Amino acid sequence: ETGVTQTPRHLVMGMTNKKSLKCEQHLGHNAMYWYKQSAKKPLELMFVYSLEERVENNSVPSRFSPECPNSSHLFLHLHTLQPEDSALYLCASSQDGLGTGELFFGEGSRLTVL
Amino acid sequence: AQSVTQPDIHITVSEGASLELRCNYSYGATPYLFWYVQSPGQGLQLLLKYFSGDTLVQGIKGFEAEFKRSQSSFNLRKPSVHWSDAAEYFCAVGAWDDKIIFGKGTRLHILP
Repeated sequence: ETGVTQTPRHLVMGMTNKKSLKCEQHLGHNAMYWYKQSAKKPLELMFVYSLEERVENNSVPSRFSPECPNSSHLFLHLHTLQPEDSALYLCASSQDGLGTGELFFGEGSRLTVL
Repeated sequence: AQSVTQPDIHITVSEGASLELRCNYSYGATPYLFWYVQSPGQGLQLLLKYFSGDTLVQGIKGFEAEFKRSQSSFNLRKPSVHWSDAAEYFCAVGAWDDKIIFGKGTRLHILP
């Protein structure tokens, strides 16, 4: 398998549930990202990990908790979410610097919070 | 603060017609500029990027973009669109020590 793989592709959860999104990259990149894509809003950077260390936390609420156990895997743990958190969550990876490298995106996890 | 503006939310062109998608940016340092495309149900894919050198950049799928520093623009062009080009297009700007910022996107519709 190649590229960036995200699971699950679709997730429906209640506000009291706890769930996780998973991302795996097979490109040998050293940086991984979580983005939130909502309708009519720019793509929002949530978290950046470089060499498994978090280098960016873009004022994301604590109900979103990232985890990067190694350079190939990235998780986004979700708990007590709100309906406005419903969105497409995109994972990406890159080899080069924070703002200069080509981003390789997964197909996204569509989250619906009831 | 850096920002990216894509003034057109939707654009409709006929198949075979030429295309230009506009992008303006505001950035203090020398920017790294990107165009990404997102087909329905897919993640974003890089079309092309500009770092330095020739201001006319060639990308995949027959797309090109021109960097105009005086106008702070990086418009995307294609001489003849195909029905498969229907998608959403995102302009983005980054820098060596700063994250990439995306515009809100332009949705392209193709008429048969």
